Amino acid sequence: QKEVEQNSGPLSVPEGAIASLNCTYSDRVSQSFFWYRQYSGKSPELIMSIYSNGDKEDGRFTAQLNKASQYVSLLIRDSQPSDSATYLCAVEAGSGSRLTFGEGTQLTVNP
Amino acid sequence: GAVVSQHPSRVICKSGTSVKIECRSLDFQATTMFWYRQFPKQSLMLMATSNEGSKATYEQGVEKDKFLINHASLTLSTLTVTSAHPEDSSFYICSAREGGVNQPQHFGDGTRLSIL
Repeated sequence: QKEVEQNSGPLSVPEGAIASLNCTYSDRVSQSFFWYRQYSGKSPELIMSIYSNGDKEDGRFTAQLNKASQYVSLLIRDSQPSDSATYLCAVEAGSGSRLTFGEGTQLTVNP
Repeated sequence: GAVVSQHPSRVICKSGTSVKIECRSLDFQATTMFWYRQFPKQSLMLMATSNEGSKATYEQGVEKDKFLINHASLTLSTLTVTSAHPEDSSFYICSAREGGVNQPQHFGDGTRLSIL
């Protein structure tokens, strides 16, 4: 089992729809969870961080964390073509420790 | 805030050349910096973790004599690819993290290295 698994892509949604990206992790002691966006040929950009159970909203983005189910998700509301990118889920076991990345989910938002 | 500058953005050089890549945290002190490598259509692979003033910790399978890392200050880390060969061609990305709890890693823009 991979340490961090993301739903296989590619994911295609129409403009204005909600895009849902999912991630599960295997290490129960994981404490910090991040979503990064990576455009083709570019480096990852931090979108959201979440550290406690529940929802965290930032503009059109909502991260959801359920530590009991070892599950973290990212919802993108009112998806725009500019949201088309690969989204990386990253998990950190303890403060300051290494990040473990999922393989990424490629999202395409169609105009 | 939390800007990480990486330089150069692209390098093309002959086989056998050594290449130095710099990573700077511009507006914060980075107690820890990380170096990643990414091949096309793959996720990031951690190469090493660098703490200011101490030796870097390399991941299994990464040759420390091939990839020299220096973290001389709280704002600067360098990666030197020594005697580079075509198989070293990749996208190298650094990240930096402030000290303290719940601090994310912020990434530089990456360096695309092409060895001819």
